[in-house]
Amino acid sequence: DTGVSQNPRHKITKRGQNVTFRCDPISEHNRLYWYRQTLGQGPEFLTYFQNEAQLEKSRLLSDRFSAERPKGSFSTLEIQRTEQGDSAMYLCASSLSSGGETQYFGPGTRLLVL
Amino acid sequence: KQEVTQIPAALSVPEGENLVLNCSFTDSAIYNLQWFRQDPGKGLTSLLLIQSSQREQTSGRLNASLDKSSGRSTLYIAASQPGDSATYLCALAAGNKLTFGGGTRVLVKP
Repeated sequence: DTGVSQNPRHKITKRGQNVTFRCDPISEHNRLYWYRQTLGQGPEFLTYFQNEAQLEKSRLLSDRFSAERPKGSFSTLEIQRTEQGDSAMYLCASSLSSGGETQYFGPGTRLLVL
Repeated sequence: KQEVTQIPAALSVPEGENLVLNCSFTDSAIYNLQWFRQDPGKGLTSLLLIQSSQREQTSGRLNASLDKSSGRSTLYIAASQPGDSATYLCALAAGNKLTFGGGTRVLVKP
């Protein structure tokens, strides 16, 4: 297995457009996380899934954001009506279980909203 | 609410010098602490994970310590090399998420 993958790696869009990102976790990992990182800052937690169930969402995840993991494998993060403040790196991570397990991160999707 | 601080924000050292990176946190109720490396424009690479019950972890030239009573962790990198230039982030696991510090940007000059 080659690790966590994310697509696309880069996305440029105009304000008001919708965008969707995909994350493929390490195959045997049942937990999947989304984080957002702005320039010069550490990543901030957005949401996580245990298999297909979305179990926690941050207050950062406004109504314009929605995440799914329909079959407990890959996940998608959609942002509707993008705003310039949504410009950031969106990182996905996966782990075997919570608590003591290492989270493995993907390369990220860099979003620029013009 | 957990707050994680990394000071300094940036550090420049000559090649061969040992690196000492600091991480402080406000809530000691944690599962573990991880140190990550991030190269510009890239994702995060896990370096070391210290479980809550442990005091330190070592991997090659890297050693990380954890002192929950004082709310501190330190990452030591021995005999630094130009390839060690990157941003180093500490993150605390409590519940189902990681809380990150802002990172220390390291430059190792040849």
